[in-house]
Amino acid sequence: DGGITQSPKYLFRKEGQNVTLSCEQNLNHDAMYWYRQDPGQGLRLIYYSQIVNDFQKGDIAEGYSVSREKKESFPLTVTSAQKNPTAFYLCASSIDLRGWSYGYTFGSGTRLTVV
Amino acid sequence: KNEVEQSPQNLTAQEGEFITINCSYSVGISALHWLQQHPGGGIVSLFMLSSGKKKHGRLIATINIQEKHSSLHITASHPRDSAVYICAVRSYTDKLIFGTGTRLQVFP
Repeated sequence: DGGITQSPKYLFRKEGQNVTLSCEQNLNHDAMYWYRQDPGQGLRLIYYSQIVNDFQKGDIAEGYSVSREKKESFPLTVTSAQKNPTAFYLCASSIDLRGWSYGYTFGSGTRLTVV
Repeated sequence: KNEVEQSPQNLTAQEGEFITINCSYSVGISALHWLQQHPGGGIVSLFMLSSGKKKHGRLIATINIQEKHSSLHITASHPRDSAVYICAVRSYTDKLIFGTGTRLQVFP
């Protein structure tokens, strides 16, 4: 079955460490997205990519970095510059940026905690 | 004021009850999505609407573009419907804007 796989499900980070969250899709979707979810807030867009080797900053990109070397993969690195990284991170994909035509597919998320 | 507002924030119901969750938005949109987030965190897309009404099983979603309002209805609710329901709109600039969600608990 096609879908999005996020790993790990739970991740603990020490102060000053960079950590990388994995997102893989086998849906042949061009567009991929990273969102952050905090309690009481709607999902906020961190980065998005509409094609391999191209990505754009979202609303809260500071302290994060991404790469898109393969169509299937869109890893997110939470750097030490992100001051408040504890959150739930969701990866999503759509056929293209105008995903409203066909909808979005979401992963199961990664919960990152700073210890 | 958020561009996408959902009500209520929390909702409890007895099994079998008819449930309505509301979503109001203040921007021009090309589509509206209803999403379901289970306790584990994964999100499932339920509906995508640009006009009218859609039905899938016990779920019905409606949208009134003129009033900038959408509703999600659940008929004959069941404990397995317990989840957070999220409304998201796609603006004319292709930006997806999310509501904060409605937490639904259905008790047997």
